[in-house]
Amino acid sequence: DVKVTQSSRYLVKRTGEKVFLECVQDMDHENMFWYRQDPGLGLRLIYFSYDVKMKEKGDIPEGYSVSREKKERFSLILESASTNQTSMYLCASSSWDLAGGPKEQYFGPGTRLTVT
Amino acid sequence: SQELEQSPQSLIVQEGKNLTINCTSSKTLYGLYWYKQKYGEGLIFLMMLQKGGEEKSHEKITAKLDEKKQQSSLHITASQPSHAGIYLCGADMEYGNKLVFGAGTILRVKS
Repeated sequence: DVKVTQSSRYLVKRTGEKVFLECVQDMDHENMFWYRQDPGLGLRLIYFSYDVKMKEKGDIPEGYSVSREKKERFSLILESASTNQTSMYLCASSSWDLAGGPKEQYFGPGTRLTVT
Repeated sequence: SQELEQSPQSLIVQEGKNLTINCTSSKTLYGLYWYKQKYGEGLIFLMMLQKGGEEKSHEKITAKLDEKKQQSSLHITASQPSHAGIYLCGADMEYGNKLVFGAGTILRVKS
C-alpha cells in the first residue's frame, strides 16, 4: 500500500515562528504536493514538485516555501507564521503511468496547524 | 473551487437508500478523481476516470464520466453508515496532475 506520512497530526505555533511541515512517501513517486483545506474553500494547492530539487507554485504560494532535497521527502515551510495560516495541511504524492499521463494522488493524514 | 461545482453540499439519507453526488466543470477534464474523507483526516482515493463515457465500480460505489468529460457522478447503492463522510471530486484541468477540487459533499447515513 502507498503510504504518505506527515510529521505531526496537530501543531500549535505562535505568530512569527518559523514552521516546518514534513511529508514522506514510500512509493518512489515523482510528484509531491502540498494543499491546505479550509471550510468553505475546499482544498487549495500551495506548492508542488515533479522531481528532486524542483518546485512549482500552486494557486496560493504566498507566505510559504518548500524544499525537496530527496525524492521521498517534501517539506513545507512557513517562514513567519501568521494567524491566517491556521488550517489543515495535506500532503500528497503521485506518479505517472506508462503513457506519461497522471495517476491518482495519495494523501497523508493531514496536519492541523493552529497559529496563535 | 468554482471551476469545479459539486452538488449537493450535504446529504442525509436513510440507511439502505441510493444516492448520487455530482461534479461539474465548464472545461474538458484530463482526469476526474473521487475521494472520500473522514472529518479531520486525509483523503482516501476511490476512483479515477479519464475517458469520456467511462464508468467504474467498487463494491457499492459507481462513478461515471460523461462523454464530453465535463461532468461526473458518484452513485452509492444501498447506503450504509460506513459510507458517511465527505466526498470530494478532484480534476486535472490541464496536463500536469495539478488537481482542482470541488468543495465537497457531506454525506450522513441515518440507521
